[in-house]
Amino acid sequence: SAVISQKPSRDICQRGTSLTIQCQVDSQVTMMFWYRQQPGQSLTLIATANQGSEATYESGFVIDKFPISRPNLTFSTLTVSNMSPEDSSIYLCSVEGPDRGRGRKYFGPGTRLTVT
Amino acid sequence: AQKVTQAQTEISVVEKEDVTLDCVYETRDTTYYLFWYKQPPSGELVFLIRRNSFDEQNEISGRYSWNFQKSTSSFNFTITASQVVDSAVYFCALSEADSGTYKYIFGTGTRLKVLA
Repeated sequence: SAVISQKPSRDICQRGTSLTIQCQVDSQVTMMFWYRQQPGQSLTLIATANQGSEATYESGFVIDKFPISRPNLTFSTLTVSNMSPEDSSIYLCSVEGPDRGRGRKYFGPGTRLTVT
Repeated sequence: AQKVTQAQTEISVVEKEDVTLDCVYETRDTTYYLFWYKQPPSGELVFLIRRNSFDEQNEISGRYSWNFQKSTSSFNFTITASQVVDSAVYFCALSEADSGTYKYIFGTGTRLKVLA
């Protein structure tokens, strides 16, 4: 199993500013995933972060808006840049178990972001 | 194309009633994995079950049961004798290999309200 923590748990930010969300896993993992969950919506994958390489972004998400760092096998950050009210969402960090895509995903508790 | 449909947006039941949450999926692969997750108001995603495409046996875990039918591409979830603590959003998810990488797709979720 994997235990994931995220910081901050929630924040209220002003439009035009940036917020960096941290994700810490209690074990070494190859891939880390960042999801966005807009109010009342499902989870949408933003990007996949591998250690030592550039993150892979899904359609509709770009590095300038959501830069990601992955400095080691247990840690990643997601920055939400130049925020607007549309960025108000829950941002979740996730990792796979040893079965990778065949198995369950482990999720952090999420970061609730409100942009005013 | 890969797709998960949860047609029920919101369901309300009275405590002790049975309730079934529907999940219909589309995939082009013969090998795939299906999941159910629960998201209580706290926001954290709780893993409930995984089923692979070769195992069509129904599963029961306490008050929870799952009915997997490949013929109709459905993976429905039943809660027997519902309780207020079952109130949450429930997500069905599909994972299939796509060019060697597993893609994980979530349905739009069903909000279950159990009334005392």
